[in-house]
Amino acid sequence: GDSVTQMEGPVTLSEEAFLTINCTYTATGYPSLFWYVQYPGEGLQLLLKATKADDKGSNKGFEATYRKETTSFHLEKGSVQVSDSAVYFCALSGGNNAGNMLTFGGGTRLMVKP
Amino acid sequence: GAVVSQHPSWVICKSGTSVKIECRSLDFQATTMFWYRQFPKQSLMLMATSNEGSKATYEQGVEKDKFLINHASLTLSTLTVTSAHPEDSSFYICSARLPRRGSTDTQYFGPGTRLTVL
Repeated sequence: GDSVTQMEGPVTLSEEAFLTINCTYTATGYPSLFWYVQYPGEGLQLLLKATKADDKGSNKGFEATYRKETTSFHLEKGSVQVSDSAVYFCALSGGNNAGNMLTFGGGTRLMVKP
Repeated sequence: GAVVSQHPSWVICKSGTSVKIECRSLDFQATTMFWYRQFPKQSLMLMATSNEGSKATYEQGVEKDKFLINHASLTLSTLTVTSAHPEDSSFYICSARLPRRGSTDTQYFGPGTRLTVL
């Protein structure tokens, strides 16, 4: 079946540092890939998505490129802020799963210090 | 657009009581909604897929008689935790699928409901 693997956290960075959160996936076919963010005590918010190979999703300074050759969708941001502290989930849909169900990675907690 | 709400946001109940959680898509119609459970510092676990006008599809290991799901309209799905026990304490999150023509459907998530069973 489909699966998503993320780097384990927590990731602790100083403000304005460069962020990379690795995400790799296993799926057949052509899944769509997503990054969701969860702020403390809240539900998930869609951060960005990419639907086909070489697509780049971007939002709020975050970027991720759909790399089919390496089955990866790493999240990057050039300069993080304290307000970016949250848990980030990589997810896919449309691989082996029917009905556009999402398969989530384990989540990576990001802590940004002033 | 694409806002999903949940009510209540936090509920505390006594063991043995039943608790109903509502999930609403506020500005779009959702034929499909999903219910997830999230334990502290863990990822989301899909409990069931809720389809408007038909029975929910439960994931393996989820008791359908304990977690009753009703999707009575295109904007409302409810999850009822029957005879709740302390081990049911968790963060319950719903999502609604927004179908898009010619593009990938995207799920939009509610803010979650924290259930504490004493």
